[in-house]
Amino acid sequence: NAGVTQTPKFQVLKTGQSMTLQCAQDMNHEYMSWYRQDPGMGLRLIHYSVGAGITDQGEVPNGYNVSRSTTEDFPLRLLSAAPSQTSVYFCASSYVNTGELFFGEGSRLTVL
Amino acid sequence: QQQVKQSPQSLIVQKGGISIINCAYENTAFDYFPWYQQFPGKGPALLIAIRPDVSEKKEGRFTISFNKSAKQFSLHIMDSQPGDSATYFCAASPGTYKYIFGTGTRLKVLA
Repeated sequence: NAGVTQTPKFQVLKTGQSMTLQCAQDMNHEYMSWYRQDPGMGLRLIHYSVGAGITDQGEVPNGYNVSRSTTEDFPLRLLSAAPSQTSVYFCASSYVNTGELFFGEGSRLTVL
Repeated sequence: QQQVKQSPQSLIVQKGGISIINCAYENTAFDYFPWYQQFPGKGPALLIAIRPDVSEKKEGRFTISFNKSAKQFSLHIMDSQPGDSATYFCAASPGTYKYIFGTGTRLKVLA
């Protein structure tokens, strides 16, 4: 039972490069989300989805794109990385009608 | 306003002591208040949660106290152990997803 799987665990980018953080869950959860964690700022919601084909913005969506073509996968795309996007990124999922969020182990991104 | 304010930022407690972390919210539409525990290098995991129809919920050594009129809730860890050393996040949600998290409290329990 894998739960929520994120790849890669670590990534270093140069300013302006693009990349995709992958997230997959095997629990058939309708809700999936991306958070970024920065020191002193807690977990901030970037984008979320309540089902395939449905996405919406969270608190800090600028500079990030998402799509949800399947129930299992919810990739996060950085089109032109900036140093301000250096952070630890967490993917989380849950059933829409229950409260428990299941988190992946995180992806640490450094933008030089 | 969607903020959830959490304090203290860090906390040091002796083994066997009580750890108390406080959170305050502003949006009266919030109706689900979980606490998450995060160990270094890991993702957060649900510890305990409460809805505003009760004032207290206890699970083992962990208790949530909820004050609806003051829009405040707190986590109490009784008989704190070194294994409780972690970062704790409170959160609030107007439903069962799309949480707003607090800024986190780094707890260290001294042996």
